Amino acid sequence: GEDVEQSLFLSVREGDSSVINCTYTDSSSTYLYWYKQEPGAGLQLLTYIFSNMDMKQDQRLTVLLNKKDKHLSLRIADTQTGDSAIYFCAENSGNTPLVFGKGTRLSVIA
Amino acid sequence: DAGVIQSPRHEVTEMGQEVTLRCKPISGHNSLFWYRQTMMRGLELLIYFNNNVPIDDSGMPEDRFSAKMPNASFSTLKIQPSEPRDSAVYFCASRTGPHGYTFGSGTRLTVV
Repeated sequence: GEDVEQSLFLSVREGDSSVINCTYTDSSSTYLYWYKQEPGAGLQLLTYIFSNMDMKQDQRLTVLLNKKDKHLSLRIADTQTGDSAIYFCAENSGNTPLVFGKGTRLSVIA
Repeated sequence: DAGVIQSPRHEVTEMGQEVTLRCKPISGHNSLFWYRQTMMRGLELLIYFNNNVPIDDSGMPEDRFSAKMPNASFSTLKIQPSEPRDSAVYFCASRTGPHGYTFGSGTRLTVV
């Protein structure tokens, strides 16, 4: 079945850039997503990228997709303490349910 | 738009008791998903509905789990009897179209 892998932890200093990486196995993935989960809350959609794109930028967020290597990354520029959260990578094909990674816990050190 | 509404936010129950979790999706969203989140297993899809019809319940761990969606604005997830290993955060999400899940705030279930 489909699988999405992420590293579990990342620690960065405030003001630095954070890069969270994700690999997936489903070559038919149509959309790839990044979600953010703050403590005690549900998952919030941050951004998504269609599989025929290789980059998407939205303010401090940059998503890079290497479809050949099935590798997705999320870069957060000028990371702030408010960015501390768990970040989930997810994928699906068309209308199928999302398949999530286990999440990367980002800790921002002031 | 009040978003996806789940109740209760927290539930503590004794082993063997029946537990019912509730979800109200966003109006107009035609798909609804139940996920379970634990530290060990991450987010697991339990079941999902399209237009109130269950499409895939292969993620439901055991016959003790059941889910219903009697109409477009309400769904329940029931565990009977509950066990300590069912302790987790249960999320409901809804969407319309191929992307744009909206998650509820979750129900934290503790079975003692």
